Amino acid sequence: EAQVTQNPRYLITVTGKKLTVTCSQNMNHEYMSWYRQDPGLGLRQIYYSMNVEVTDKGDVPEGYKVSRKEKRNFPLILESPSPNQTSLYFCASSEDRGRSGYTFGSGTRLTVV
Amino acid sequence: SQQGEEDPQALSIQEGENATMNCSYKTSINNLQWYRQNSGRGLVHLILIRSNEREKHSGRLRVTLDTSKKSSSLLITASRAADTASYFCATALRDTGRRALTFGSGTRLQVQP
Repeated sequence: EAQVTQNPRYLITVTGKKLTVTCSQNMNHEYMSWYRQDPGLGLRQIYYSMNVEVTDKGDVPEGYKVSRKEKRNFPLILESPSPNQTSLYFCASSEDRGRSGYTFGSGTRLTVV
Repeated sequence: SQQGEEDPQALSIQEGENATMNCSYKTSINNLQWYRQNSGRGLVHLILIRSNEREKHSGRLRVTLDTSKKSSSLLITASRAADTASYFCATALRDTGRRALTFGSGTRLQVQP
């Protein structure tokens, strides 16, 4: 089944404790992206990747890092999480950025206390 | 500011009725896409309409696009309780640059059985 898999589904952590949210897709998509979703603000793009070793900032990249060492994986790294990063996070992939539909993961609900 | 804005923000109808949601955007687009999100879950791609298309159908869904008015509508016919979800429009700009899809803040649809 074609899918984007995110882990973990839920995460509660403390301020400053580094964490990684994993994302993997099995569709051989070149384009992958991370979004955060907050009430009243919709989905905002954090980072995206056009292909292996090619990443770039989205609209709200501060406090986040990503890497794309393999085509299928695109982890999101929070080096020092803060409470304002409490949010619902989604990973998505696509054959061609913007010109075809995105496949989304099920989401990661992160709470930073 | 958001490229796409949905209207209304919330809609409540009875099962069997039609539901219409609207989306307005600001700049020239390559295509416009509609997504559905069940509460707290990942977004699911519904339909994509390109800038040179005016209408598209998929099952009970009908999407129209008016590029002169920079607006789109999503019609769900003969709604069912299972259609209860949030619906988002997303625009792919003609000049994508670094940004691929930009999402609106969504319409929450409640279908009463």
